[in-house]
Amino acid sequence: QLQLQESGPGLVKPSETLSLTCTVSGGSISSSSYYWGWIRQPPGKGLEWIGSIYYSGSTYYNPSLKSRVTISVDTSKNQFSLKLSSVTAADTAVYYCARQEYYYDSTNWFDPWGQGTLVTVSS
Amino acid sequence: DIQMTQSPSTLSASVGDRVTITCRASQSISSWLAWYQQKPGKAPKLLIYKASSLESGVPSRFSGSGSGTEFTLTISSLQPDDFATYYCQQYNSYWITFGQGTRLEIK
Repeated sequence: QLQLQESGPGLVKPSETLSLTCTVSGGSISSSSYYWGWIRQPPGKGLEWIGSIYYSGSTYYNPSLKSRVTISVDTSKNQFSLKLSSVTAADTAVYYCARQEYYYDSTNWFDPWGQGTLVTVSS
Repeated sequence: DIQMTQSPSTLSASVGDRVTITCRASQSISSWLAWYQQKPGKAPKLLIYKASSLESGVPSRFSGSGSGTEFTLTISSLQPDDFATYYCQQYNSYWITFGQGTRLEIK
């Protein structure tokens, strides 16, 4: 079945750029039926959608993060990536990647999710 | 953005109880709502989509209802595996938002 796996540094310094990659296995990232999203969860808190990308490169970003976020896709590697610039301690969170249903020109729910990776912002 | 408010924030219940969690949207979202279950240290798991459609493999004791601005997730008879945190998520707009979560704990 489809699996997603996040990878990247677990520690990032303040003001630097957080970079994560999600590798999709058991299915193609180039499916017309899905977007691919990033969601984060600060320790002990709730879920925040960061942004989503289609295999063509079309993106949607959370407006509250848009100025700092870039999501890209590499269909040859079946991967998509997240870059979050100018990080602060408030960006410390578990970062999840997930597949997002897409139909009737609308992005929908997330399923399945990767296991998540904790990124700590600290000097 | 569309704000999602869940109630209660914490719910104490016993095995066998029927429980209901409410999610309210700050504006109408039709039926564009999903519910997730999250256990400590794990990723969220999809339970319900389109307000009332049960995801494949999810036990039938879970059900969802509602439309517009008010939605409910009901567990008909709590099982030990159901003690977890539950989140609602709206997808009426491209700007996806989640509720703050409801922690379901053992009484």
